[in-house]
Parts: sequence; structure tokens; C-alpha cells
Amino acid sequence: SQQGEEDPQALSIQEGENATMNCSYKTSINNLQWYRQNSGRGLVHLILIRSNEREKHSGRLRVTLDTSKKSSSLLITASRAADTASYFCATDVAAGNMLTFGGGTRLMVKP
Amino acid sequence: DGGITQSPKYLFRKEGQNVTLSCEQNLNHDAMYWYRQDPGQGLRLIYYSQIVNDFQKGDIAEGYSVSREKKESFPLTVTSAQKNPTAFYLCATEPRWGYGYTFGSGTRLTVV
Repeated sequence: SQQGEEDPQALSIQEGENATMNCSYKTSINNLQWYRQNSGRGLVHLILIRSNEREKHSGRLRVTLDTSKKSSSLLITASRAADTASYFCATDVAAGNMLTFGGGTRLMVKP
Repeated sequence: DGGITQSPKYLFRKEGQNVTLSCEQNLNHDAMYWYRQDPGQGLRLIYYSQIVNDFQKGDIAEGYSVSREKKESFPLTVTSAQKNPTAFYLCATEPRWGYGYTFGSGTRLTVV
């Protein structure tokens, strides 16, 4: 089974609204990362949050991490049609280990 | 342009054939990874390599093989033993642990 599970699986919003995606995981982590994938393309790294951090910002992105609940959220503020993509969380459970990806949230932003 | 080049973009395989997917990087990253993605799904790890001449199996290595003879190159061979190879294959690199992956644009493999 997957280490990370995103919720919801699909999200449809209007341009200008905020989009929130959640990720839950099962075991302790060193860091958690969020990636974006446009249809048929490779993934693009968005943001990395380490286990001793609670919140990080990057432009219109805000990521929170709650290690006690083993969960993270990605907030995209003032969404644009160009934000339409799939968003994946990935966890790194030990030094030198590879990432384990969740199933993703498919976000559609309607103009 | 620094980055990762995956080729070909589309690949068709006949039953019983072996095919090789190319992944080349000029980022000088040590670690390289191969993931498989099925429609509407997340990524599953096939193989990874953290240094030249060394590689490790991931979660779904059966039916696949790799080599890492040069730092820049990490080719993936899909053998005839892989019974359901139709998928999107992604190569990724990482400069060192904990810095995030850079992905190639992927190869879409279809069995015909």
C-alpha cells in the first residue's frame, strides 16, 4: 500500500478560489514533498517541508505539516486556469531512501 | 540547457520483445530513479542508483533491468518477462538526499 494518500482524489474550482489538498501518511518521515504534473508530462517539484518544520510558503503555495497527525496540506491561493494539474505528495522516510508517492489529487480550475 | 532527457517519447513493443528506455542527465546529480505510472495512479519505484556501477531494486523491479556505467546515464530495459508493460515511465534525478527530484518528460510505452 502507498505511504501517502491524497484527499480529495479530484477537485474542481473556479478561477480565483483557493484550492486545498491533503496528504496523509503512515510512518515517520524525514521530509514531505509536493509535486505537480501536467497531463502527459513529467513531475515538477513544488516544495519540500522537513519533519521539524510546520509551515512553508512559496509564492501562492502554502504547505503545512502535522507530524502528530501524520498529515500535510497544500493550499494554492487565488487559483488560475494554469494551475490545472495533478498534485502529488511524496514522503522520504529515511536518509538515503527514495521517495514514496501518493495517488494524487486532480485539480481542475475553471476560467 | 541543464536537465534530463528521456527518449523516445513514445515507444511500441511487440509481445516477447525487450525494449530499452533512455535517460540522460547533465545536472551532475548522483542519484537516479525510474518510476512507473499507470493511468490515474501515483508513481511506483522500479529501480534506483545512488552512485555509478551500483543500483538497487525498487518495489516493482520484476521484468525490468538497468545499468549505471556512467553518471550521466541510467537506461531501463523492459524485458519480455514484464507481462503488463504498458505505462508511462519517468526518470528522475536528485543532487543528494533531501533536495527534491528533477523529472524527465517521460516515455509512454505501449504493447502492440
